Amino acid sequence: DGGITQSPKYLFRKEGQNVTLSCEQNLNHDAMYWYRQDPGQGLRLIYYSQIVNDFQKGDIAEGYSVSREKKESFPLTVTSAQKNPTAFYLCASSTTGQGDWWGYTFGSGTRLTVV
Amino acid sequence: GQNIDQPTEMTATEGAIVQINCTYQTSGFNGLFWYQQHAGEAPTFLSYNVLDGLEEKGRFSSFLSRSKGYSYLLLKELQMKDSASYLCAAAYSGAGSYQLTFGKGTKLSVIP
Repeated sequence: DGGITQSPKYLFRKEGQNVTLSCEQNLNHDAMYWYRQDPGQGLRLIYYSQIVNDFQKGDIAEGYSVSREKKESFPLTVTSAQKNPTAFYLCASSTTGQGDWWGYTFGSGTRLTVV
Repeated sequence: GQNIDQPTEMTATEGAIVQINCTYQTSGFNGLFWYQQHAGEAPTFLSYNVLDGLEEKGRFSSFLSRSKGYSYLLLKELQMKDSASYLCAAAYSGAGSYQLTFGKGTKLSVIP
């Protein structure tokens, strides 16, 4: 079955360390997205990519980095420059064609805690 | 950015009906999604409105008025399991594709 997989589900990081969150999809979607969710804040866009080897900053990109070397994969690195990284991170994907667009498919999320 | 406004919290009684409203900016708008999200889980799709009017799907209905920049989600015969956050998301055109802008979510508490 097609879907989008995030791993790990729970992640603990020490202050000052970088950590990479995995996101893989087998839906043949061109576009992929990373969101951060804090209590009462809704979903805030970190980065998105509409094609391999290209990505754009979202509203809160500072302290994060991404890569899109393969269509199926869009890993997110939370760097030590991110001052408050403890949050729930969601990855999503979608088609890019306007004629057959049904919104986003979400992964199950990764909860990152800085200890 | 595009502002999506919805109430922060609502409380309703089991078996009752509740309406969650959402307003959005109409410039570049292409459609309106509603998602349900239980705590610690991913959002799940509830509805997608492109045209004006009411769409009914079981206990849940969604309404859209494109000219007013307004949508609502109607939940009937509330059950305890409906306690969740409900996210309103508007699709906007950009760079040959669509992108969703999310509201902050409405936390619904269903009480006995």
